This record gives sequence, C-alpha cells and structure tokens, in this order.
Amino acid sequence: QVMLSQSPSASASLGASVKLTCTLSSGYSTYAIAWHQVQPGKGPRFLMRLNHDGRHNNGDGVPGRFSGSSSGSERYLIISNLHSEDEADYYCQTWGTGPPYVFGSGTKVTVL
Amino acid sequence: DVQLAESGGALVHPGESLKLSCAASGFTFSLSEMNWVRQAPGKGLEWISYITSAGTTVFYADSVKGRFTISRDNSQNSLFLHLDSLRADDTAVYYCARGHYEIVSWGQGTLVTVSS
Repeated sequence: QVMLSQSPSASASLGASVKLTCTLSSGYSTYAIAWHQVQPGKGPRFLMRLNHDGRHNNGDGVPGRFSGSSSGSERYLIISNLHSEDEADYYCQTWGTGPPYVFGSGTKVTVL
Repeated sequence: DVQLAESGGALVHPGESLKLSCAASGFTFSLSEMNWVRQAPGKGLEWISYITSAGTTVFYADSVKGRFTISRDNSQNSLFLHLDSLRADDTAVYYCARGHYEIVSWGQGTLVTVSS
C-alpha cells in the first residue's frame, strides 16, 4: 500500500516563502495527492489537488500564493509571501485507486 | 457555501457506543461520496471510513473495521457514523469530509472522548 512521508517541521520568516515536501513510497511515483491545512483549533481545509506532472487545482478561496509542483515521487507545497495565519499543520493525502485513503504525518509550519 | 456540521460527540466509557451525525448543505449531497476522518490529540489525520453517494458501497480502515458503521440518509442530507465497542485509542476529533479521491470539503469536527 502507498505511504506518504513528510518532514515534521519547517519555518520561514514573515513575507518569505517555504517549500514543503511529501514523498510517495516506492512504486507510486505517478500518484496524485492533495494538500490540506489544519490551523490551530480549526477543522482542516482543502488547499489543492496536485498531479504527478505538477498541474494543480487550488480549492475554493485558496489564495494563489499557495502553489504546488512535482518531481518524481516528490510532491511540493510552496507558500509564498508567508502570512502569520499560515502557521499551521499541513498534510498530504493520496488515494491510489480508491479507499483506503492515506495521509502523511504532517508538517508543522512556524512563521518567524 | 458548502457546510458540513458534525454533532453527537461525547464523553463515554470503554465498551460503550455512540452515533455521530453530519448535516450537509450547499451542495448536492445525494451525488457526493462522503468520509469520516479523525484526529487523536497531538496526532495526525487518520481516514477511517468512506461511503458511495447511493450508500451501496462502504470501506473502513483496519483500525475500526467491525466496530464502526458508516451510513447516510440522502433524503435528510445527513451522514452518520455508529461507533461500537469504543476504546481509549478512539479518543479523537471526528470530521465529516466530502470527496472521492481528494477530500475537498471538511466539517469543524466533533470530539469523542473514551475514558473510564
């Protein structure tokens, strides 16, 4: 079964950019993923679907400073012009051919 | 706007049962596949169950298979999760979530605490 790996933490300064990585397990490099944001005390928020070729579709209301890219088995979330409210946990999710769905362990982003 | 509103969370003892509900609005519920996802305190997101739009096919994570039952009432735009034989490690915020493949909408969650 596919697995997703994420670094536990990342940080960057207000107004800077940060790049988060989600790595698909061996043999699953063509899989699409989704990125989700969980702000403290809030429910998750869908950010985007990200395909293996880097094409991505942001969710409703998600600002354009959230973007995605792909390289091999790695899927990236790039947050540009960091705002204080971007301090949150970010999870990647994939699905193979359907359920069960799989989440990465999450990356905690700190805005300095 | 899409809205998913969970309810039914409570403090229960190990071995007891509970039923969670999710009221959906702002989209065509009867055409949407739905899920339950949970997050234990200090832990990450864990997908636990999926149901097709007609309710004819369901899937469960191994951690809840045989104990939890997902269902829906399309006439009431509602999703349910029946939790049986609850254990301490079922303590979590339970989220109702819409999506087939990528999850595209989330509720705010309802807290289930299992403790003696």
